[in-house]
Amino acid sequence: EVHLLESGGDLVQPGGSLRLSCEASGFTFNSYAMNWVRRAPGKGLEWVSGIDGRGFTTHYADSVKGRFTISRDNSRTTLYLQMNSLRAEDTAIYYCAKVRVGPSVGRDMFDSWGPGTLVTVSS
Amino acid sequence: EIVMTQSPATLSVSPGERASLSCRASQSVNNNLAWYQQEPGQAPRLLIYDASTRATGIPARFSGSGSGTEFTLTISSLQSEDFAVYYCQQYNNWPPYTFGQGTKLEIK
Repeated sequence: EVHLLESGGDLVQPGGSLRLSCEASGFTFNSYAMNWVRRAPGKGLEWVSGIDGRGFTTHYADSVKGRFTISRDNSRTTLYLQMNSLRAEDTAIYYCAKVRVGPSVGRDMFDSWGPGTLVTVSS
Repeated sequence: EIVMTQSPATLSVSPGERASLSCRASQSVNNNLAWYQQEPGQAPRLLIYDASTRATGIPARFSGSGSGTEFTLTISSLQSEDFAVYYCQQYNNWPPYTFGQGTKLEIK
């Protein structure tokens, strides 16, 4: 059974930094692209970033490009999101999500999600 | 960027009745459309992908239809556990993957 567990969410001041982690188990981690998706209070889901199975190809939403960095450690079966220059509008629950099909970031949907970790950006 | 628009924002339906939720794309996404269910405090759950294929373990009362720009999620006979928020997502043109704003299905 696929299991994803996010951690690292916290209260941080505007301009601050935070690193989220997502520990994965129950599947061959390096065979699947992984993504971060967030849900801000009172809003819908927003895709944030994706990375291929080997960690060589990454993509970002325009809203986080240049501030967030996605990475993965396949030996630890862990996905990361380094968030810098945080803004109030980054306040959200952040979910890691596994793609359904394979290692490439592409035409694919998210078949497994973690429970999420809350990031609050406020002074 | 493809904009996904869901309607209605809130749908009130009685248990045992049928519910139909709509999702419209700003341009064709072919059949590269997924539906997710999110209960309060829970992670989203994949229900439907490729517009009409049920994900593993999803009951047959959930069905998806449509292609191009117009899509529908139908729940044939609502159970108590079905009252949640539903999102559509396109994965035809990426990045970014884009979601609709959600439809809240509530008990009438």
